[in-house]
Amino acid sequence: DAKTTQPPSMDCAEGRAANLPCNHSTISGNEYVYWYRQIHSQGPQYIIHGLKNNETNEMASLIITEDRKSSTLILPHATLRDTAVYYCIAANAGGTSYGKLTFGQGTILTVHP
Amino acid sequence: DAGVTQSPTHLIKTRGQHVTLRCSPISGHKSVSWYQQVLGQGPQFIFQYYEKEERGRGNFPDRFSARQFPNYSSELNVNALLLGDSALYLCASSLLWTGDQPQHFGDGTRLSIL
Repeated sequence: DAKTTQPPSMDCAEGRAANLPCNHSTISGNEYVYWYRQIHSQGPQYIIHGLKNNETNEMASLIITEDRKSSTLILPHATLRDTAVYYCIAANAGGTSYGKLTFGQGTILTVHP
Repeated sequence: DAGVTQSPTHLIKTRGQHVTLRCSPISGHKSVSWYQQVLGQGPQFIFQYYEKEERGRGNFPDRFSARQFPNYSSELNVNALLLGDSALYLCASSLLWTGDQPQHFGDGTRLSIL
């Protein structure tokens, strides 16, 4: 599975967009980019995933560069409840590591009033 | 709709004992995965099961075992508990076992070893 690199921490003002970057320069063609977040003492929450195209759902948007070496998770209007650890994961859709999610250290996003 | 449910929520054991953790997947999901999360780190993959068969295993000792039942629920068993097994144990379910299907996590079982 491709390794992902994220900044250890970021801050964002409430009501503003939060843009969380992720580098996955060694990603292979059949690896999806997943984003999860984890609020203290809860299980990780699925946010969004994509392969090549940009994706949007009710929670966030995922922008993947054309060469697929990096991506950005966008929370359009951050609230205090978005304060969490955000994980970017490259998950293999084929091969011997089907379905395995490899979590790194993630980005601690703190949303300020 | 009910999400992934895990039981118990908290558990205290002593070294050398064994433990069984249980997981009920989201209705319709046939794949269950187990993860261990030590304090301050991201979750680490332990096992994945699909249709009662093991589809993946992480780098954990043989003291860790799991199984999936015909109703797709799952158990994680850990024998000869060590202090280092203290962690949050997370279960996740997905429709299929392929990496293009998102996994949805429960809130875990907090295991403390004394």
